[in-house]
Amino acid sequence: EVQLVESGGVLVQPGGSLRVSCAASGFTFSSQWMNWVRQAPGKGLEWVANIKEDGSEKNYVDSVKGRFAISRDNAKNSLYLEMNSLRVEDTAVYFCVRDLVFGGRYSVFDYWGQGTLVTVSS
Amino acid sequence: AIQMTQSPSSLSASVGDRVTITCRASQDIRSDLGWYQQEPGKAPKLLIYAASNLQSGVPSRFSGSGSGTDFTLTISSLQPEDFATYYCLQDYSYPFAFGQGTKVEIK
Repeated sequence: EVQLVESGGVLVQPGGSLRVSCAASGFTFSSQWMNWVRQAPGKGLEWVANIKEDGSEKNYVDSVKGRFAISRDNAKNSLYLEMNSLRVEDTAVYFCVRDLVFGGRYSVFDYWGQGTLVTVSS
Repeated sequence: AIQMTQSPSSLSASVGDRVTITCRASQDIRSDLGWYQQEPGKAPKLLIYAASNLQSGVPSRFSGSGSGTDFTLTISSLQPEDFATYYCLQDYSYPFAFGQGTKVEIK
């Protein structure tokens, strides 16, 4: 059974830093692209970043470029999101998402974790 | 960046109704679009990928169509468990982008 379990969400002050993690199991983690998607309280979904199977390619939404860094440790079946210079508007539930990449082209977000809440507030 | 515009933002419908949700991209995205369902307090669930491919295990009353800039999610006969918020997602180019969501409520 595929499982994605996020952790690390806490209350942090504006300008602070935080790393959230995702522990993956039930599939060959090193063979899948992975994503972070966030959802601010009462708002819609926002794609944040993704990373290729071997970590050689990473992509970000403009609002987090230069502040957030996605990484993975395939030996530990883990995905990470390092967040720096946090802003109030980064407050959200952060979901870890597997991307099946159908036909080598289409992104298929087929498994989602339950999310971890990051609150940025003074 | 590609912008995704969903309509309507919300709708009220009855069990058994046919429901259509549309998503428009600000530029041609071929068929690189997925549809996701989110119930309150839960993680989203994949319904449709590549514009018209039904994800395994998803009921056949859900269908997707479209290509280029205009896409549609159709629920042929609304069931009680379908009351939720629906999002489209373009995966044609970075940054990927979701539509703002369509909340389907009980009439």
